[in-house]
Amino acid sequence: GAVVSQHPSRVICKSGTSVKIECRSLDFQATTMFWYRQFPKQSLMLMATSNEGSKATYEQGVEKDKFLINHASLTLSTLTVTSAHPEDSSFYICSAQGTYNEQFFGPGTRLTVL
Amino acid sequence: EDQVTQSPEALRLQEGESSSLNCSYTVSGLRGLFWYRQDPGKGPEFLFTLYSAGEEKEKERLKATLTKKESFLHITAPKPEDSATYLCAVRVTGRRALTFGSGTRLQVQP
Repeated sequence: GAVVSQHPSRVICKSGTSVKIECRSLDFQATTMFWYRQFPKQSLMLMATSNEGSKATYEQGVEKDKFLINHASLTLSTLTVTSAHPEDSSFYICSAQGTYNEQFFGPGTRLTVL
Repeated sequence: EDQVTQSPEALRLQEGESSSLNCSYTVSGLRGLFWYRQDPGKGPEFLFTLYSAGEEKEKERLKATLTKKESFLHITAPKPEDSATYLCAVRVTGRRALTFGSGTRLQVQP
């Protein structure tokens, strides 16, 4: 149990385009999901907390207009990187909060912006 | 400000050579300490949650312990497949998100 999927696993796009990443909890419902960003050999940096049916809560320094988060159902949250630029290239990971407040992570999405 | 510090940054062991990873924390109100394993290019895999000082949990060759200031992840007789980055994270009062340490990169050589 407690499986979280992400799609796509890898995406390469041109500068200026928008990219949508999906995060799904496959066998449990999650009212709260989280989006992280990870640079090579560094730890996870929380970007935002995604709440089902309400607006996401963004961490300080994260542009909400650039990283659009939608949590439309209890099993799906999406992160859209708008007008992507090379500096947005990174490994994006989502997690879903379980019954006992543990977080189960997705496999991550490698974004490369050319 | 809540802080989580992991040591060492990197650890190289011979197969069968037991050791411990450390996670020290300074937080306002601990609601849980979590250990994860992360393989390169993948998301973190949940290992343990510890809630109170004195608590211990085991899974195969791994054992996690917790005191009021730190947690240890003991690895007994490690195998090469235990090679990964081990992440420690805390959840504190009033905050749903986890705060992560920088991780320990473990390499177990055959």
